[in-house]
Amino acid sequence: DAGITQSPRYKITETGRQVTLMCHQTWSHSYMFWYRQDLGHGLRLIYYSAAADITDKGEVSDGYVVSRSKTENFPLTLESATRSQTSVYFCASSEQDSGNTIYFGEGSWLTVV
Amino acid sequence: QKEVEQNSGPLSVPEGAIASLNCTYSDRVSQSFFWYRQYSGKSPELIMSIYSNGDKEDGRFTAQLNKASQYVSLLIRDSQPSDSATYLCAVVIKAAGNKLTFGGGTRVLVKP
Repeated sequence: DAGITQSPRYKITETGRQVTLMCHQTWSHSYMFWYRQDLGHGLRLIYYSAAADITDKGEVSDGYVVSRSKTENFPLTLESATRSQTSVYFCASSEQDSGNTIYFGEGSWLTVV
Repeated sequence: QKEVEQNSGPLSVPEGAIASLNCTYSDRVSQSFFWYRQYSGKSPELIMSIYSNGDKEDGRFTAQLNKASQYVSLLIRDSQPSDSATYLCAVVIKAAGNKLTFGGGTRVLVKP
């Protein structure tokens, strides 16, 4: 039971570079989410998706792009990485919307230098 | 005012004691509430969900919800060193597009 897998788990990149964080789930959950976690801010929603080809912005979406061509994949792209995007990124999924349990991936640690 | 607020801690409790964690939220119409546990360097994992006023017990954990006062709490009975973690309160907030909004978490340290 693989659940949700994220890659890469750890990445260091330079300011201005494009970075893509991958997320793959094996449960066929409809909803998928990207959160970032920072000290002092907790977990904040970046983007979410209700189904393939349906995505919407969360609280902190500026500088990020997502796509969902297949139900199982939900990649997050930082178009031009900035130091403020240094964070831990968690992908998550749920069968239904946020009123139901959300399951998290293991996280991707991103450092922008 | 943050939509979901928790005391950051650390909350230090002796082994075997009860740890009491509190969470307040801003949205009067919220209906879904969750407690997640997060070990250092790991992802959050669900401990409890609660939807109705009152208490809900699951093993050593009890969630308590009071919608009129807009707070939800988590009690950990017979605390063990393995309970040392950060506990995240999460609430579905209408103003956030009915999406799950997390508090900043309370760090709990259980001392043997």
